Amino acid sequence: GAGVSQSPSNKVTEKGKDVELRCDPISGHTALYWYRQSLGQGLEFLIYFQGNSAPDKSGLPSDRFSAERTGGSVSTLTIQRTQQEDSAVYLCASSKARTLNTGELFFGEGSRLTVL
Amino acid sequence: TQLLEQSPQFLSIQEGENLTVYCNSSSVFSSLQWYRQEPGEGPVLLVTVVTGGEVKKLKRLTFQFGDARKDSSLHITAAQPGDTGLYLCAGGNTGNQFYFGTGTSLTVIP
Repeated sequence: GAGVSQSPSNKVTEKGKDVELRCDPISGHTALYWYRQSLGQGLEFLIYFQGNSAPDKSGLPSDRFSAERTGGSVSTLTIQRTQQEDSAVYLCASSKARTLNTGELFFGEGSRLTVL
Repeated sequence: TQLLEQSPQFLSIQEGENLTVYCNSSSVFSSLQWYRQEPGEGPVLLVTVVTGGEVKKLKRLTFQFGDARKDSSLHITAAQPGDTGLYLCAGGNTGNQFYFGTGTSLTVIP
């Protein structure tokens, strides 16, 4: 597809289980971002990948959260030992901008995570 | 974390009215973007401003970047039901980071 693709679109899990969320960015986009959004609220920055550079993990809320990006394309966000407060929509975005911060972010539709 | 506060948080107006949404921060940003998000979808870019004092117009929408590059405003003239959505500002820094605001939920009643 031409846009950012995220899967699953919905995930319901039990407290304490691990979950993996996948993001397939637009082909050729070197920058990839993960954000978290609570219902009707703003976006909380989680992690940023740019090409082959070390990712900026400064937004990850705890060591239960991790992300990787393989081959400079697909990214996986992993949440271990999920807690109820992890329930949110996880949004992925990609951008072709290499320098300067004026590039447009293209977002996927998000993965809605519910932790029971 | 560089915080951007938006006001108001919620806004419900009649079709044809004008409105202004504000985005404020104590941090300086090298760029400021505005996005609109509809339910079940990701945010979509409306505009990018990069120069302090810059004003951009997009049909009925007017965007302004503050002189000190710490704040921005979005003004909508003669609002339409199609303008309904969540409006998000995002500040960019030299590290290609984008920090999003707290959001303004706009409802335009026909």
